[in-house]
Amino acid sequence: DADVTQTPRNRITKTGKRIMLECSQTKGHDRMYWYRQDPGLGLRLIYYSFDVKDINKGEISDGYSVSRQAQAKFSLSLESAIPNQTALYFCATSENEKLFFGSGTQLSVL
Amino acid sequence: KQEVTQIPAALSVPEGENLVLNCSFTDSAIYNLQWFRQDPGKGLTSLLLIQSSQREQTSGRLNASLDKSSGRSTLYIAASQPGDSATYLCAVLQGAQKLVFGQGTRLTINP
Repeated sequence: DADVTQTPRNRITKTGKRIMLECSQTKGHDRMYWYRQDPGLGLRLIYYSFDVKDINKGEISDGYSVSRQAQAKFSLSLESAIPNQTALYFCATSENEKLFFGSGTQLSVL
Repeated sequence: KQEVTQIPAALSVPEGENLVLNCSFTDSAIYNLQWFRQDPGKGLTSLLLIQSSQREQTSGRLNASLDKSSGRSTLYIAASQPGDSATYLCAVLQGAQKLVFGQGTRLTINP
C-alpha cells in the first residue's frame, strides 16, 4: 500500500462546481503539503500544514482551501472550480526536509 | 525571486552511457537542493538531498553535486539503464517551506 494516498486519481468537473481532493498518509509525518503541476511551470505550492492546528498559504492559494482533519488527513477544496485550475495535483508529506509524494490527482475543469 | 532552470528539457541516450543532468538556480541562499524522479502517472520520488553545506551526495549509480556559489547542481547517472527513463526534477529549499522546482528533464534511455 502507498504511504501517501490521494483520491480520486482522476476527476472531470464543470466550471463552478465544488471539488474536494483527499490525501491520507501512513508515514506518521506531521508536515503535509498540496502542490499543483502544470506543463512548463513545474510544481507550485498551494498550502502546507505543520500539524493539525497549523495551516499556511503557499505560493498560489487563491481559489483553494484546505482542511487538516487529523495528522494523517489533509484535504484540498476548490470552492468554485474554474478552467485554469485544470492541473495535476500532488499531496506530499515531509520529514527531515525530505518529501514523499502521492501519485497525484489529475483534475480537469471544463 | 528564485528561479530554477533545468537544461535540456529532454535527453535521449543509448543504454550504458554515463550522463549528466543540469540544474541552475538564481539565488544562492538555499537550505538544500533535492533531486526527484517522476514516472508517468506517478508521483515524485526523492532521489538525493544535498544540504547547503555539502558538496555532493551519492546513492548507487547516482551522484549529485552542489556548487552553491555558482548556483549549479548536477545529477550524474552512471551506466544508464532503460529503467532510468523518467523525468528528473531538481528543487531548492528556501525559507518558510518554499521549495522551488525546476521544470524537469525528460530522460529516455534507449536499449
